[in-house]
Amino acid sequence: KNQVEQSPQSLIILEGKNCTLQCNYTVSPFSNLRWYKQDTGRGPVSLTIMTFSENTKSNGRYTATLDADTKQSSLHITASQLSDSASYICVVIFLSGGYNKLIFGAGTRLAVHP
Amino acid sequence: NAGVTQTPKFRILKIGQSMTLQCTQDMNHNYMYWYRQDPGMGLKLIYYSVGAGITDKGEVPNGYNVSRSTTEDFPLRLELAAPSQTSVYFCASSYSGTGTYEQYFGPGTRLTVT
Repeated sequence: KNQVEQSPQSLIILEGKNCTLQCNYTVSPFSNLRWYKQDTGRGPVSLTIMTFSENTKSNGRYTATLDADTKQSSLHITASQLSDSASYICVVIFLSGGYNKLIFGAGTRLAVHP
Repeated sequence: NAGVTQTPKFRILKIGQSMTLQCTQDMNHNYMYWYRQDPGMGLKLIYYSVGAGITDKGEVPNGYNVSRSTTEDFPLRLELAAPSQTSVYFCASSYSGTGTYEQYFGPGTRLTVT
């Protein structure tokens, strides 16, 4: 069964600290993987996309890694800011029936405290 | 560009009532999607459309109907509201349904059925 599991479910860190969020998936065949940021009361917004051949991708203070062999991805946030408080969702995409199908993780809820 | 817009933002329905959730995008995207997000769960695809006049079921279509008469609009209809339909509903759009094209999400509609 195609599944995406994220850990931890929630995380509290102090402003300025780093953190790493984990994503394990069993989706096959794999096409690409996105990390989305979802602010409270808003829709998800894409942070990074990684294809099968990419190991790492950065977007400012966000760095995503991908190990397609172990089917794991991580999102590392450097020097956290209060505005990083949000849910971070790992989404694995595969091609089925001629179009992309998205499998969403439940998300990690991050709270950055001053 | 306004992107993807949704109305209403919030709605409370009584069991058995009907309503339509509106979704409009101004990016001239061919593909549009409806998802629901339940607490602690990943987003689930309800219906999708590959272009005007063409719609298809997603993972959880029961209790919903859609239409796509124009490229811009993709309304979601609930005919007989049930408590199980209490959720946050997101509309999304993408230029293509394959490759690495990003899905852009609207701000969501929070629906409560009592």
